[in-house]
Amino acid sequence: SQQGEEDPQALSIQEGENATMNCSYKTSINNLQWYRQNSGRGLVHLILIRSNEREKHSGRLRVTLDTSKKSSSLLITASRAADTASYFCATDNAGNMLTFGGGTRLMVKP
Amino acid sequence: DTAVSQTPKYLVTQMGNDKSIKCEQNLGHDTMYWYKQDSKKFLKIMFSYNNKELIINETVPNRFSPKSPDKAHLNLHINSLELGDSAVYFCASSPDYLGVTDTQYFGPGTRLTVL
Repeated sequence: SQQGEEDPQALSIQEGENATMNCSYKTSINNLQWYRQNSGRGLVHLILIRSNEREKHSGRLRVTLDTSKKSSSLLITASRAADTASYFCATDNAGNMLTFGGGTRLMVKP
Repeated sequence: DTAVSQTPKYLVTQMGNDKSIKCEQNLGHDTMYWYKQDSKKFLKIMFSYNNKELIINETVPNRFSPKSPDKAHLNLHINSLELGDSAVYFCASSPDYLGVTDTQYFGPGTRLTVL
């Protein structure tokens, strides 16, 4: 079963709007990571948040982590058409591997 | 400069054949991985190697045999291909091993189609 599950599975917004994606997981983690996958490409690492951190920023990305609720959110502000991609959360819970969720497919309309 | 490269990018073959996918990373990382992404985009780890040593084997059929000739290369050989093996296979590498899994760097993927 998937450790991380993203919500929503698909999201369509207009350029300039903010996009929020959520991730829930089941077991305790060392860290949680977010990746982006453009169509037909490999995954690209966006941001890593450690279990003792609550919030992290990187450019237009903001990630929060609530270990008590076993959930994380990824916020993309002022979205652009180029942000259209699938976004995956991945948890490091066993120390030697990442477990990925099913992804959120984001479409940003120009 | 390509950090993690895979060949081939596309692979179309008949059921029952044997095929290999190659992966190379020039990042100097100690750990390499193979993932399988199915048609619904679920990404599942198959194998993990650290310094040429197998660390993780996630209940993958023994028709799949990874080989790491050195820590920069991790190849995947698949025997007796089945229809269900059709997927996109991703290689990845990571600088860390024990304790915590850090950022992973992915290759572009190999789309395998079994007819």
